[in-house]
Amino acid sequence: KQEVTQIPAALSVPEGENLVLNCSFTDSAIYNLQWFRQDPGKGLTSLLLIQSSQREQTSGRLNASLDKSSGRSTLYIAASQPGDSATYLCAVYHRSQGNLIFGKGTKLSVKP
Amino acid sequence: DGGITQSPKYLFRKEGQNVTLSCEQNLNHDAMYWYRQDPGQGLRLIYYSQIVNDFQKGDIAEGYSVSREKKESFPLTVTSAQKNPTAFYLCASRWPNQPQHFGDGTRLSIL
Repeated sequence: KQEVTQIPAALSVPEGENLVLNCSFTDSAIYNLQWFRQDPGKGLTSLLLIQSSQREQTSGRLNASLDKSSGRSTLYIAASQPGDSATYLCAVYHRSQGNLIFGKGTKLSVKP
Repeated sequence: DGGITQSPKYLFRKEGQNVTLSCEQNLNHDAMYWYRQDPGQGLRLIYYSQIVNDFQKGDIAEGYSVSREKKESFPLTVTSAQKNPTAFYLCASRWPNQPQHFGDGTRLSIL
């Protein structure tokens, strides 16, 4: 059964720092991988979606990479800002299970 | 504006009571999903529907029921059989192979 793990569970950095969030999955038979942001008490906002045939996707200060063979994805945030403080969730769309499997998230705090 | 609307934002359930959470989307998506989120946990799938009048159980369907009579609507009923219903409930929808879009959630508590 597909499992998704995110490390670290929490991260605190000073403003302006570049940072990397990690996501790993146990089964490489995925259609795509998606990164989400969740603010406290809110729903999820989709940040980036990487198809299984792609290696990376970029949107503004965010860059997500995918290495299917090793079962890993990273979300790179450049020049972090206090407004980036949120929980970041990784999810994979598994071929046989037909729906998204989520990690538990990384709670990011960017200090001014 | 297109999006997903969940209501109510907060809901309280009495012992032995069934409650229904509403989810409406105007994105013309075929697939809709219900997730449960507990503190410090990832999202767990309750039910999903790929098309009108059809739905499948997710990982934690016991104590829940759904219907999909219209493309736009996918209500979730939390029945009295669900003994630990306190959680944050999220509805989502999507096109095939496209990002999932989420509503703002309903927080359910026990009175």
